Amino acid sequence: QQQVKQSPQSLIVQKGGISIINCAYENTAFDYFPWYQQFPGKGPALLIAIRPDVSEKKEGRFTISFNKSAKQFSLHIMDSQPGDSATYFCAASIGSGNTGKLIFGQGTTLQVKP
Amino acid sequence: GAGVSQSPSNKVTEKGKDVELRCDPISGHTALYWYRQSLGQGLEFLIYFQGNSAPDKSGLPSDRFSAERTGGSVSTLTIQRTQQEDSAVYLCASSKQGGNTEAFFGQGTRLTVV
Repeated sequence: QQQVKQSPQSLIVQKGGISIINCAYENTAFDYFPWYQQFPGKGPALLIAIRPDVSEKKEGRFTISFNKSAKQFSLHIMDSQPGDSATYFCAASIGSGNTGKLIFGQGTTLQVKP
Repeated sequence: GAGVSQSPSNKVTEKGKDVELRCDPISGHTALYWYRQSLGQGLEFLIYFQGNSAPDKSGLPSDRFSAERTGGSVSTLTIQRTQQEDSAVYLCASSKQGGNTEAFFGQGTRLTVV
């Protein structure tokens, strides 16, 4: 019940295309859903995050869509660029009381072809 | 430096030896996480420290793994009697309060057991 399942494992997109990565969770107590971006040789860095009181959050070319009833959330990268090539991780935690640990999905390796 | 610092950046050890990995979190961050990332794999949760609460050790894979956090700051992850399957990148992260606050990752320690 503590798992976060992420798909696909890898993704290849042409420059200018839309990249979509999906995550699903079971624990309804999760109330914070961040996405992290990791470049080779670096630690992951926060990209964008959402709480379940909204269905969508957009920051530039990056959008999180959240479906509470389906217990699913997804990352959309619009106008994908070669510089977006990285590994993306979804995560979830129980933010109430600020005591929750972050549980990560398995990661998606994105390659954007020029 | 204002970021999370991990040392050493690389460690090669012989099978059966003990190793200690160090993490210096961002000053003032009460939450500290350890994760393990095997080649091409996701972020496997190991242990979570939050303030003065008892650490969440539910992710430690065996009793050869232990971690401590002294004075609410520096943390050390110890692996006893290392095995080849322990080879991975060990990532440390810290956040202001855990839960729904941004986690900042270090660069990781790449451990190779030969």
